[in-house]
Amino acid sequence: ETGVTQTPRHLVMGMTNKKSLKCEQHLGHNAMYWYKQSAKKPLELMFVYSLEERVENNSVPSRFSPECPNSSHLFLHLHTLQPEDSALYLCASSQEGTGLYYGYTFGSGTRLTVV
Amino acid sequence: TQLLEQSPQFLSIQEGENLTVYCNSSSVFSSLQWYRQEPGEGPVLLVTVVTGGEVKKLKRLTFQFGDARKDSSLHITAAQPGDTGLYLCAYRDYNFNKFYFGSGTKLNVKP
Repeated sequence: ETGVTQTPRHLVMGMTNKKSLKCEQHLGHNAMYWYKQSAKKPLELMFVYSLEERVENNSVPSRFSPECPNSSHLFLHLHTLQPEDSALYLCASSQEGTGLYYGYTFGSGTRLTVV
Repeated sequence: TQLLEQSPQFLSIQEGENLTVYCNSSSVFSSLQWYRQEPGEGPVLLVTVVTGGEVKKLKRLTFQFGDARKDSSLHITAAQPGDTGLYLCAYRDYNFNKFYFGSGTKLNVKP
């Protein structure tokens, strides 16, 4: 596989459930990110992992818990979510330190619905 | 966090028409990027502009960075249904080495 792969593509969960989103990158990049995309809002950065260390939190509620076991894998653990957490969750990777022209490679996202 | 304003928010045109979308800010940027996001997919990087006044072309897409490096535009010539999607501009925050995105322009090109 190539690029950034996210699973599952769609997820419906109740407010008391616990679930995890998975992201895997096959590009050899050294940084990975979780973004939240809601209707009519800009993409919101949730977490940044650079060289497997979390470097930015952005005050995300504790019901979202990231995990980065190695440079190729990123998880987002979800528990006791609220309906307003329904959104498209995007994972991205990048190769930091390569100058002005580098950008993100995004996965296709997980469409999450909290009921 | 610096604000990127994109306009228009929505644009619906017929195939073959030309269009321009804008990305504006009151801040100066070292670079700006444009992404396109198709329905059901993640954004895909189209171009990075770095130099004030720079113009880059990608087939029927022309990107321009303002002379003062505060704004950018994307012009599409002879739009096709395959151009349909959400066009996002983004800037890089060097302090935290990450990108911030505008709200995007949602383009629909009707056959």
